[in-house]
Amino acid sequence: EVRLVESGGGLFHPGGSLRLSCTPSGFTVTDNYLSWVRQAPGKGLEWVSVIYSGGSIYDADSVKGRFTISRDSSKNTVSLQMNSLRAEDTAVYYCVRNLGLSVDYWGQGTLVTVSS
Amino acid sequence: DIVMTQSPLSLPVTPGESASISCRSSQSLVHSNGNKYLAWYLQKPGQSPQLLIYFVSNRASGVPDRFSGSGSGTDFTLKISRMEAEDVGVYYCMQGLQTPYTFGQGTKLEIK
Repeated sequence: EVRLVESGGGLFHPGGSLRLSCTPSGFTVTDNYLSWVRQAPGKGLEWVSVIYSGGSIYDADSVKGRFTISRDSSKNTVSLQMNSLRAEDTAVYYCVRNLGLSVDYWGQGTLVTVSS
Repeated sequence: DIVMTQSPLSLPVTPGESASISCRSSQSLVHSNGNKYLAWYLQKPGQSPQLLIYFVSNRASGVPDRFSGSGSGTDFTLKISRMEAEDVGVYYCMQGLQTPYTFGQGTKLEIK
């Protein structure tokens, strides 16, 4: 069974850092493309970042230079390093496999709150 | 960036009746491989989004056949025939043609 479990969320201060992790089961991260999609409270969906099977990485302009997506093939995980946090980064962050394709899967999400 | 525009943003529907949601992209979503990278999602209250339709008109596994997608180029439609109570939630279209992937604003479907 395919599952994705996000972890690492919580309450953080503006300017701070955190690292989100996505631990999948039922598939290998290097054989798929993994995205992070976020949803601010009461708002719509916003794509954040993607890492393709070949290793290429792309980020939304809103997080470019602050967030970095990566993967660890030995642990079969994908991470999102989030630096220079802002209040507007407050959101539920979802890890998604193969976004928009025939068999995409979403995790349950992890809430990140940025507040002083 | 490709802008996705949905309408309406709110849609009350009587059970048993049909509903249509429109999604327009600011540029064509046709890939050189011939696929059109337009997907539809439903986010039920308190849940993660779930894929309904991919490549404009292909239903995802387990999606009832009362959901159908159509369109070409830049104009797309999701139709729900015979609305049921379990269909309430927010519907999003999304373009997966190029990064940044972008979503529509969402359409809140509710029971009338």
